[in-house]
Amino acid sequence: AQSVTQLGSHVSVSEGALVLLRCNYSSSVPPYLFWYVQYPNQGLQLLLKYTTGATLVKGINGFEAEFKKSETSFHLTKPSAHMSDAAEYFCAVRELQNTGNQFYFGTGTSLTVIP
Amino acid sequence: DTEVTQTPKHLVMGMTNKKSLKCEQHMGHRAMYWYKQKAKKPPELMFVYSYEKLSINESVPSRFSPECPNSSLLNLHLHALQPEDSALYLCASSQVGGRVGELFFGEGSRLTVL
Repeated sequence: AQSVTQLGSHVSVSEGALVLLRCNYSSSVPPYLFWYVQYPNQGLQLLLKYTTGATLVKGINGFEAEFKKSETSFHLTKPSAHMSDAAEYFCAVRELQNTGNQFYFGTGTSLTVIP
Repeated sequence: DTEVTQTPKHLVMGMTNKKSLKCEQHMGHRAMYWYKQKAKKPPELMFVYSYEKLSINESVPSRFSPECPNSSLLNLHLHALQPEDSALYLCASSQVGGRVGELFFGEGSRLTVL
């Protein structure tokens, strides 16, 4: 089974500062990688995904992530934090099994944006 | 707007009640999922249906009973729940296999067991 590690359960940044949320995965095969965002009392919304091709992936709301195979990482970044970015962020890996898709989630990172 | 619709958004039930959570999607996805989520925790997989057949059951207690009547609908029947079952229940759907296959989540049903 896959495992996903998100370093830092809580990250605080000032408004306008760089956002960096870390994600490492364990996989011996090329993974499918995802970042989801969850606002209070809502479901998870896809920010971006990596399947194949370009390793720098751009998503919604100005976020991007870079797949680095050598580091087994898929860190999420945004150049300038906005107050509306405050939320819970989950990294996920998809594994295709005989029984169907199986998704493995990291433990999540709560992002606080300080005015 | 979410393309996965869950009802009800909020549910309060006693430990002897029987209730159901409902989920609907019209994206043509043939995999549907139930997740349980506690506050500040990642979603925990409960059940997966592929092509309307139960393909994964993550050792969920029998007081939770899933049902997939057709390719668009997914139900979760609840009976004799415990207070610790209070959580946000998320439904999701995805393609089966394929290169894309991300999960599309509904907004969840907030369940409180008294």
